[in-house]
Amino acid sequence: EAEVAQSPRYKITEKSQAVAFWCDPISGHATLYWYRQILGQGPELLVQFQDESVVDDSQLPKDRFSAERLKGVDSTLKIQPAELGDSAMYLCASSPRTVGVLAKNIQYFGAGTRLSVL
Amino acid sequence: DQQVKQNSPSLSVQEGRISILNCDYTNSMFDYFLWYKKYPAEGPTFLISISSIKDKNEDGRFTVFLNKSAKHLSLHIVPSQPGDSAVYFCAKRGGRGAGSYQLTFGKGTKLSVIP
Repeated sequence: EAEVAQSPRYKITEKSQAVAFWCDPISGHATLYWYRQILGQGPELLVQFQDESVVDDSQLPKDRFSAERLKGVDSTLKIQPAELGDSAMYLCASSPRTVGVLAKNIQYFGAGTRLSVL
Repeated sequence: DQQVKQNSPSLSVQEGRISILNCDYTNSMFDYFLWYKKYPAEGPTFLISISSIKDKNEDGRFTVFLNKSAKHLSLHIVPSQPGDSAVYFCAKRGGRGAGSYQLTFGKGTKLSVIP
């Protein structure tokens, strides 16, 4: 069964350092999402890509976060510099190309990267 | 503004009995509601969904009910099994344009099924 791959699974860093997370979506999925999940909360959308284009990055703290999906396949999320409040699970999800408002269009999640900022 | 609310952080149910997980929403601009299940150290896994044009959707042991007048949906698991122990997230889908498929999640309810 196809899966969304994320690496690393765990990352420990000191504040003010740079970190990067990688995501490889399910093959053929045009839409890719990055979410952040703080302990005890639900996932919150950071950025959405359609192919290589950003659809929505309104919730991405652009002073320190950046995301790219250069060839419309895999994606990288970067934080520079990391702050203590960035400690969270970073989840990547993908879905097929959206066609029609009634399309089911399920998002499939990877296992996530657990970030701890010390 | 929390658009999707799961007011019960946790729920314990005896094996074989019914589990009922609840979710309330505040914004009616949506087309789908979804339930995801999450085990520790894993990503959320899609469980079941319901379109806004329906009031019930059933898949095996899982049934989701939608009450649009009350802005409330619930997930029923019958019979509950120990393997159902996980965190369950309610999510609504809505937005504009290409962002209309974005999901807004509740905080989750941790279900514990006791053998």
